[in-house]
Amino acid sequence: AQKITQTQPGMFVQEKEAVTLDCTYDTSDQSYGLFWYKQPSSGEMIFLIYQGSYDEQNATEGRYSLNFQKARKSANLVISASQLGDSAMYFCAMREGREYGNKLVFGAGTILRVKS
Amino acid sequence: DAGVTQSPTHLIKTRGQHVTLRCSPISGHKSVSWYQQVLGQGPQFIFQYYEKEERGRGNFPDRFSARQFPNYSSELNVNALLLGDSALYLCASGKTSVWGNEQFFGPGTRLTVL
Repeated sequence: AQKITQTQPGMFVQEKEAVTLDCTYDTSDQSYGLFWYKQPSSGEMIFLIYQGSYDEQNATEGRYSLNFQKARKSANLVISASQLGDSAMYFCAMREGREYGNKLVFGAGTILRVKS
Repeated sequence: DAGVTQSPTHLIKTRGQHVTLRCSPISGHKSVSWYQQVLGQGPQFIFQYYEKEERGRGNFPDRFSARQFPNYSSELNVNALLLGDSALYLCASGKTSVWGNEQFFGPGTRLTVL
């Protein structure tokens, strides 16, 4: 069963506008972590933001925020004030319980294109 | 501080050959994980090593093996290469073996099997 679902293969956003990238997850664990990564065409995976399952507040890192809705099992990434440099592939990933170590399960990704 | 480093950046091999990929984690990080990313897909977990011991293995054949050295650097070995092994191989570095919010990736090694 797919554990991370990113339903938007591609998204367009106008420069300086906000955009939301969707991510839903499936786990029966109580302890888990959710990550978002950016992958430009160069290939490097750039860590953006992390949300722990017990964190009561939504994580924020600069222009990035994670809209965490635990009951709905969603962890959407919100990018505010989009910039041309935000054009890239974005991956949502989950790490489950401690017995799985540091294994991350990734979604299929969403390609974001920022228009000027 | 230097980030995660990987070598080589690109590699071309032919079917049946063997390949060794290398990764050096961020200073102070003791955990190294390997991922395979086939074009158009998300990365797939291959191995995790912590303190030189294997702590996790993904659904990959025995042709894939890895090890971690006393300085926490790591090697990924793939034997009897197949065309389907062509992918970007990513190494991720973390402080701990089981938890923490830090999973930083290197630039990857792009392997092409002809």
